[in-house]
Amino acid sequence: EDQVTQSPEALRLQEGESSSLNCSYTVSGLRGLFWYRQDPGKGPEFLFTLYSAGEEKEKERLKATLTKKESFLHITAPKPEDSATYLCAGNAGGTSYGKLTFGQGTILTVHP
Amino acid sequence: EPEVTQTPSHQVTQMGQEVILRCVPISNHLYFYWYRQILGQKVEFLVSFYNNEISEKSEIFDDQFSVERPDGSNFTLKIRSTKLEDSAMYFCASSVGELHEQYFGPGTRLTVT
Repeated sequence: EDQVTQSPEALRLQEGESSSLNCSYTVSGLRGLFWYRQDPGKGPEFLFTLYSAGEEKEKERLKATLTKKESFLHITAPKPEDSATYLCAGNAGGTSYGKLTFGQGTILTVHP
Repeated sequence: EPEVTQTPSHQVTQMGQEVILRCVPISNHLYFYWYRQILGQKVEFLVSFYNNEISEKSEIFDDQFSVERPDGSNFTLKIRSTKLEDSAMYFCASSVGELHEQYFGPGTRLTVT
């Protein structure tokens, strides 16, 4: 069974304190690893797609990386507005027709 | 910037009633999806839809659920006889291809009483 596990469940940072969020996956034949941001009561907002081990993507203070077993979301010098739940999801491709398997998320709180 | 829209934002219904949740995907997208998120839990896949038919469905998507693309813009999820455990946020998503990023709507909060 495809599984995506995120750690930590919650992370509290001071503004400017860099850190990383982890996403480990056991998705057979992974064809894409996606990062989303979700604010309370809202839909997931797309951040990054990673397709192959070694790939990196960057956007503002966020950088996502992918290995054969896990992905990291690095947050550099976070600001309070980066506070949200960050979701990781795997796409097995093949006959899964776009089905995303989500992790439970990491709740990030950045204090000023 | 194009976005996925969903209506209503909140639906309250009584157990056993039928509900229809509506979505307008991004116009040039070809793949459409429904997910749900029970409060405090993971986002769960329900169904994918391509070329006017269901591509894949999860175990949650039983005979009480159905999807339809009644015209060129709308995509609907119908629950025939709602149960208390159907209470959740329901998200519609769309993508240009099955391996591409999916864009999610703001969700419909369904409350079954």
